Amino acid sequence: NAGVTQTPKFQVLKTGQSMTLQCAQDMNHNSMYWYRQDPGMGLRLIYYSASEGTTDKGEVPNGYNVSRLNKREFSLRLESAAPSQTSVYFCASSEAEGRYYGYTFGSGTRLTVV
Amino acid sequence: KNEVEQSPQNLTAQEGEFITINCSYSVGISALHWLQQHPGGGIVSLFMLSSGKKKHGRLIATINIQEKHSSLHITASHPRDSAVYICAVKRGAQKLVFGQGTRLTINP
Repeated sequence: NAGVTQTPKFQVLKTGQSMTLQCAQDMNHNSMYWYRQDPGMGLRLIYYSASEGTTDKGEVPNGYNVSRLNKREFSLRLESAAPSQTSVYFCASSEAEGRYYGYTFGSGTRLTVV
Repeated sequence: KNEVEQSPQNLTAQEGEFITINCSYSVGISALHWLQQHPGGGIVSLFMLSSGKKKHGRLIATINIQEKHSSLHITASHPRDSAVYICAVKRGAQKLVFGQGTRLTINP
């Protein structure tokens, strides 16, 4: 089925380890996003990519890097994981403004940093 | 104060009841979204509104731009409607600001 695919679904890291969360969409969307969701808080934007080749910081970018590898793929990297990065991470995609079809979300990655 | 406030935070109702979830925002927006997050965690986009009212099945979303307020209504609620409903506003290009969500539980 068309949509946004995130991997992995679950991950446990030790403090200081690195990892990359993968995201791919097959809807030919221009824009892709990484959010984190923490208890008692709304989804917060980490980074986004308005189009292939561009990335911009969101509300909470510290400790993260992203790569928009091509139009389909947008990865999120934690270089040195910290317990404060324990969260559920969602990737999403949308068409660019002016041709709106809504946002499509991945199923989430539950990350625990110990 | 959060830019997007939802009420109530938690709502429990009996099957068949009419449900209203409210969303207020404090900034100028270009659009407002309602999303549904199921207990398994997946998030689904329900509506995008910039004015007026939209209906999809038993769900109705309204927005009053002047009052900076939106409501999501569910008619003839069913246990399968149990989920977290999230309001999000679009400010500028590409960026959504999310409310904290309303946890809805519909008992049979």
